[in-house]
Amino acid sequence: EDQVTQSPEALRLQEGESSSLNCSYTVSGLRGLFWYRQDPGKGPEFLFTLYSAGEEKEKERLKATLTKKESFLHITAPKPEDSATYLCAVQGSTDSWGKLQFGAGTQVVVTP
Amino acid sequence: KAGVTQTPRYLIKTRGQQVTLSCSPISGHRSVSWYQQTPGQGLQFLFEYFSETQRNKGNFPGRFSGRQFSNSRSEMNVSTLELGDSALYLCASSRTGGETQYFGPGTRLLVL
Repeated sequence: EDQVTQSPEALRLQEGESSSLNCSYTVSGLRGLFWYRQDPGKGPEFLFTLYSAGEEKEKERLKATLTKKESFLHITAPKPEDSATYLCAVQGSTDSWGKLQFGAGTQVVVTP
Repeated sequence: KAGVTQTPRYLIKTRGQQVTLSCSPISGHRSVSWYQQTPGQGLQFLFEYFSETQRNKGNFPGRFSGRQFSNSRSEMNVSTLELGDSALYLCASSRTGGETQYFGPGTRLLVL
């Protein structure tokens, strides 16, 4: 069964203090690894899709990387508006149509 | 391009009642997935529909069911509501079910 573990559970950062979030996964053949951010009471907002080890993607202050066992979401010089819960999910290649397996998320708070 | 829409946004029901939630996918997307999100269990996959057929199903009781129409719009139904069904129900769409999913804002269900 596909499994996703995110760490840390919560992260409190000062504005401008860079950090990284970890997503460890086990899956029978990776179709894709996905990062989303979620604000309270809202649906997850798509950030990145990674397909193979070594792949990297960037968007503003966020950068996602992928290895065969884990993914990292790097937040560079965060601002208060980066406060959210960041979710990692995987889709396997076996009997996984439309099915994402999510981690529990990392709640990030960025203070001014 | 319009995003995924869900109706209603909020619902209050009592135990034993049934409820129907609706989801309209992004234009051109034929796969619709449903998820339940609770503080204790996180985001859990319910089922996925493609071309009016359920292709994949999570580990939820038979009280949870769904369907998809020819225009790709989808509904999910929960019968004989229990207190534990209180959750945020999220719908997501993708082109075929094998790539990035985009989420709607969710329907907040409260069972009293």
